[in-house]
Amino acid sequence: DSGVTQTPKHLITATGQRVTLRCSPRSGDLSVYWYQQSLDQGLQFLIQYYNGEERAKGNILERFSAQQFPDLHSELNLSSLELGDSALYFCASSVVPGAGEQYFGPGTRLTVT
Amino acid sequence: GQQLNQSPQSMFIQEGEDVSMNCTSSSIFNTWLWYKQDPGEGPVLLIALYKAGELTSNGRLTAQFGITRKDSFLNISASIPSDVGIYFCAGQPPETSGSRLTFGEGTQLTVNP
Repeated sequence: DSGVTQTPKHLITATGQRVTLRCSPRSGDLSVYWYQQSLDQGLQFLIQYYNGEERAKGNILERFSAQQFPDLHSELNLSSLELGDSALYFCASSVVPGAGEQYFGPGTRLTVT
Repeated sequence: GQQLNQSPQSMFIQEGEDVSMNCTSSSIFNTWLWYKQDPGEGPVLLIALYKAGELTSNGRLTAQFGITRKDSFLNISASIPSDVGIYFCAGQPPETSGSRLTFGEGTQLTVNP
């Protein structure tokens, strides 16, 4: 158990809908990262937050957004969902940015039908 | 962007055999990490490497940070059935902000008892 929690474990929704994925980092970690894992793209970095502020952005679609709250939990919002958004979404955390070691949560499997 | 080439893509070995896999990049990284992922689970951190030339062990696992900072390898000695899974290398580029990970494509390891 990495100490990173994610909810829900599974999510099935229809095209055009909007969903919110939630992540709680390990106790003491200030930085949160979101990754997408699909069969054809592998593990791809989406976005990073540190102490509530956006720190780095990767290949995140404009339909996707995220935030980190004062209690350090983070939410990833996916809107206008398309079939191609079906994937595993992972949250990871580290003590601070540049700490090196990132610890991953169990993931949320999103299926868009 | 940066890409990591991980090889081999898959390995089929007998229990007790040693395993070696590696990652190469066209650009340098400040940190190399090795993760193991079981089906439907999040990646689990195995080893973190921070200095060029560094050799680090974790039980039967040994990993090295290449001198050029563009490659890393992971060795598993005396494999056992529970070593089955997908192994990913990940590199952290020398950015001034954030600390995104770039992942290799993974090595699928199968161990026959």
